[in-house]
Amino acid sequence: QVQLQESGPGLVKPSETLSLTCTVSGFSITNDYYWGWIRQPPGMGLEWIGSLHHSGSVYYNPSLKTRVAMSVDTSKNTFSLKLNSVTAADTAVYYCARDGGGTTVTTGNFDYWGQGTLVPVSS
Amino acid sequence: QSALTQPASVSGSPGQSITISCTGTNNDIGGYKYVSWYQQHPGKAPKLIIYEVTNRPSGVSNRFSGSKSGNTASLTISGLQSEDEADYHCSSYTSSSTHVIFGGGTKVTVL
Repeated sequence: QVQLQESGPGLVKPSETLSLTCTVSGFSITNDYYWGWIRQPPGMGLEWIGSLHHSGSVYYNPSLKTRVAMSVDTSKNTFSLKLNSVTAADTAVYYCARDGGGTTVTTGNFDYWGQGTLVPVSS
Repeated sequence: QSALTQPASVSGSPGQSITISCTGTNNDIGGYKYVSWYQQHPGKAPKLIIYEVTNRPSGVSNRFSGSKSGNTASLTISGLQSEDEADYHCSSYTSSSTHVIFGGGTKVTVL
């Protein structure tokens, strides 16, 4: 059973860096899948942040590309998200998920999700 | 790139069928098979219910079905039940630099 769990600080101050880690259990992160981050501001729709493969291939949403970095730690079976220079507009529930679609490109077919973690941005 | 276009809300009575549309362009929905639908209950993570336009993951009720015509994808829920009351989101792969786009979400109400 594939399970994902987000972890990170519960509150981030404006202009600081948001850092989250997704721990994957029941499945090796080195299998041929992309792993993604998606966020949802309160009361709004879903926004794709980016997806990465353990090989190093990574795709970012162009609207966030200058502020985002994703990485994978195969020894811990985790992948991470860093979003810098945050503002109140970055307040959202952040989800990590597995992309069960293509093996050479991220497809948006997210078949397993973490429960999500709310990250408020506030001083 | 703009999000895919979904109606804000759709409603129906128990037992009826409803259809939710998701409109994009030939750079996303119209050009590729990677259209997905997600069901999201309040306070919960989204759940994949349709992938690659028409396919249902194991364990998903066959009351949910997906289709596509041109640049518009559709999700049909037949035999509407109270437990179907939720938000529904569509997504698609896109050839633009955005790679993955979502719709704005549709709230389904069971009357």
